[in-house]
Amino acid sequence: QVQLVQSGAEVKKPGASVKVSCKASGYTFTSYGISWVRQAPGQGLEWMGWISAYNGNTNYAQKLQGRVTMTTDTSTSTAYMELRSLRSDDTAVYYCARVNSRVAVNWFDPWGQGTLVTVSS
Amino acid sequence: DIQMTQSPSSLSASVGDRVTITCQASQDISNYLNWYQQKPGKAPKLLIYDASNLETGVPSRFSGSGSGTDFTFTISSLQPEDIATYYCQQYDNLPTFGGGTKVEIK
Repeated sequence: QVQLVQSGAEVKKPGASVKVSCKASGYTFTSYGISWVRQAPGQGLEWMGWISAYNGNTNYAQKLQGRVTMTTDTSTSTAYMELRSLRSDDTAVYYCARVNSRVAVNWFDPWGQGTLVTVSS
Repeated sequence: DIQMTQSPSSLSASVGDRVTITCQASQDISNYLNWYQQKPGKAPKLLIYDASNLETGVPSRFSGSGSGTDFTFTISSLQPEDIATYYCQQYDNLPTFGGGTKVEIK
């Protein structure tokens, strides 16, 4: 079955960086994209960006431009999201989700289990 | 960015009731609108894509309609397992989500 498994919870200090992984299985990795969505405690969903596993093209949410980088390793069917210069308001559960296209973002299915990133001094 | 206004933000209904959630886009998004269900402590799950297409395996009591700027999500007969927060998401431009609707049992 199609599955996305994310790396474990992280605790970081303000100003640090975090890199979250998302390992895909059960489908041809390069035929789809991966999107990243985060959810602050008690809040709604915020789209962060996506990467095509087919050609490596990316699009990022404007508010995160310059702080976020999304990459893939097609040899291991793994996607990565790195967020730099962390602030307290980056504390959230970070989800990866498969995009149902390899060239343009549309809908997200399935989702990973989520990775809690806590930013605290 | 395209803004998605979802309403109501919460609702309480009885088992068997018909439940309706609306989502309004700040500009025409054609039918590029999806609906997700998120249960507490879990990842979201896709229910409806392209405004009205039911994802495989999703019960038929869930449905979606609309195009342009106004969209509706309906649960025809609310079940206890439908307790969750529901989100709309557009992808006409870079994706954005609605604020969510928390559905509770009365």
